[in-house]
Amino acid sequence: DQQVKQNSPSLSVQEGRISILNCDYTNSMFDYFLWYKKYPAEGPTFLISISSIKDKNEDGRFTVFLNKSAKHLSLHIVPSQPGDSAVYFCAGNTPLVFGKGTRLSVIA
Amino acid sequence: GAGVSQSPRYKVAKRGQDVALRCDPISGHVSLFWYQQALGQGPEFLTYFQNEAQLDKSGLPSDRFFAERPEGSVSTLKIQRTQQEDSAVYLCASSYDRNTDTQYFGPGTRLTVL
Repeated sequence: DQQVKQNSPSLSVQEGRISILNCDYTNSMFDYFLWYKKYPAEGPTFLISISSIKDKNEDGRFTVFLNKSAKHLSLHIVPSQPGDSAVYFCAGNTPLVFGKGTRLSVIA
Repeated sequence: GAGVSQSPRYKVAKRGQDVALRCDPISGHVSLFWYQQALGQGPEFLTYFQNEAQLDKSGLPSDRFFAERPEGSVSTLKIQRTQQEDSAVYLCASSYDRNTDTQYFGPGTRLTVL
């Protein structure tokens, strides 16, 4: 049973446009959600988190939205940059339960 | 360095061989986690330490997997009698306190069992 699902394995976006990465979850007990970014041959790097009592958290170009009734969260990156190209993992806690990831490619 | 380090970065083992993977967490971090990441999957939780105490080992896939953190800093994940299905990247993460929920990951050890 996948508690955290990222249904899009890949996404391509033009530089400067908005990237939207989606994540669905089934476990209502999660009280925090996190997004991690991973480059090849490196470990995941923490990007942004959101408490389950919030519906939005913003940090620079990155915004995470949480819709508890739909059990859905999304990560918005705007404007997208080529350096954002990586695999993005959504996770609920605790312990951290990760989705399978979405590979984002930002095309110059 | 200031980050989490893991060694070796790559390990090739013959089936049946025992392996030991090391993790050096960020200095002062109380919590340490091990994850297993198979190809095309997200990391999956294996075990968790708070200082030297192993508080959760529910993710360890079999009794061939054993982890320790005897002095509350460096941790070792040992896999006995390795099998081909053990081939994966093993990630270690640490956090200052479990409740901060920000875990900092090492680069991982890629284990290949032939």
